[in-house]
Amino acid sequence: ELKVEQNPLFLSMQEGKNYTIYCNYSTTSDRLYWYRQDPGKSLESLFVLLSNGAVKQEGRLMASLDTKARLSTLHITAAVHDLSATYFCAVDDGGTSYGKLTFGQGTILTVHP
Amino acid sequence: DAGITQSPRHKVTETGTPVTLRCHQTENHRYMYWYRQDPGHGLRLIHYSYGVKDTDKGEVSDGYSVSRSKTEDFLLTLESATSSQTSVYFCAISPPQGDGNTIYFGEGSWLTVV
Repeated sequence: ELKVEQNPLFLSMQEGKNYTIYCNYSTTSDRLYWYRQDPGKSLESLFVLLSNGAVKQEGRLMASLDTKARLSTLHITAAVHDLSATYFCAVDDGGTSYGKLTFGQGTILTVHP
Repeated sequence: DAGITQSPRHKVTETGTPVTLRCHQTENHRYMYWYRQDPGHGLRLIHYSYGVKDTDKGEVSDGYSVSRSKTEDFLLTLESATSSQTSVYFCAISPPQGDGNTIYFGEGSWLTVV
């Protein structure tokens, strides 16, 4: 059974600081997703990571994937208030019908002035 | 906008009543999914479909059934709603396999069973 664990679950940051969210998963997979969710809203896709060593960046967020370590990271650079949200990683269980995702518990990020 | 519409968006129902949630897509994608979101659990897969009349169970399928009679519609039914099914339900669709294709989620349906 695929298990996905994120840490930390709660993250309170000051504006301008850097931090990393970690996503560990238990079985082999080469497709990992990061999503952002604002309160009461849907999930917004941030990154799709498809292979070992994949690195993607968008603005102040950078995601990476190490399939050998079964670890993905979401790095936040110089945080701003607008980044406050819940961040989820999700791992595809593989097979022919990709999209069967197992999610982490989510990291609630709050950025303070 | 991924072209996914969920209905109803909010519903309050009584224990023991049947409830059907609808997911409608305009993308003509083959694969569709129903997830539920509860505090501390992230999202969990309920059922999924890989084509018309082809469906299968996910991680938390007990108490739920689904149907897909048309490519664009995927229905989730709670035959006899229970308080444990109070949750936010998200429909998702996935484009054909290809590098970088993400999974798109609908706006969610908030269901309260009293």
